Amino acid sequence: ELKVEQNPLFLSMQEGKNYTIYCNYSTTSDRLYWYRQDPGKSLESLFVLLSNGAVKQEGRLMASLDTKARLSTLHITAAVHDLSATYFCAVGNTGTASKLTFGTGTRLQVTL
Amino acid sequence: DAGITQSPRHKVTETGTPVTLRCHQTENHRYMYWYRQDPGHGLRLIHYSYGVKDTDKGEVSDGYSVSRSKTEDFLLTLESATSSQTSVYFCAISESGLAGTYEQYFGPGTRLTVT
Repeated sequence: ELKVEQNPLFLSMQEGKNYTIYCNYSTTSDRLYWYRQDPGKSLESLFVLLSNGAVKQEGRLMASLDTKARLSTLHITAAVHDLSATYFCAVGNTGTASKLTFGTGTRLQVTL
Repeated sequence: DAGITQSPRHKVTETGTPVTLRCHQTENHRYMYWYRQDPGHGLRLIHYSYGVKDTDKGEVSDGYSVSRSKTEDFLLTLESATSSQTSVYFCAISESGLAGTYEQYFGPGTRLTVT
């Protein structure tokens, strides 16, 4: 059974600082996704990572995937208040109707 | 934004009553999913569909059934609602896409309270 663990579960950081959210998963997978959720809202897709060594960047967020270590990271550079949200990683497998298993989420709070 | 709507958006119901939630898409995507979101659990898959009349169970399917008679609609039924089914329910859709990403797009959610 695929297990997905994120850490930390809660992260309070000051504006301008850098930090990394980690996503570990328990079995081989060829697809990993990052989503953002604002309070009371739906999930918004941030990144899709499909191969070992994949790196994607959008603004102050950069996601990477190491399939050998079964690890993905979401790095936040020079955080700003607008990045405050909950971030989820999700792991999928081709051939299983693209089902996803989600981590429990990391609630990010960026303070002034 | 992906064309996904969910109805109702909010519902309060009593224990023991049946409830049906509807997910409607205008994207003609093959795959559709129902998730529930609860504090401390992230999103958990209830049921999914890989085509009209083709459905299967997810990790938390007990007490739920689904139907998909048309590509665009995926219904989730709580046969006899219990308080443990109080949750936020999200529908999602996906397709392989040009790069085989199978990226999932989420609907706005339905907040269900069972009293």
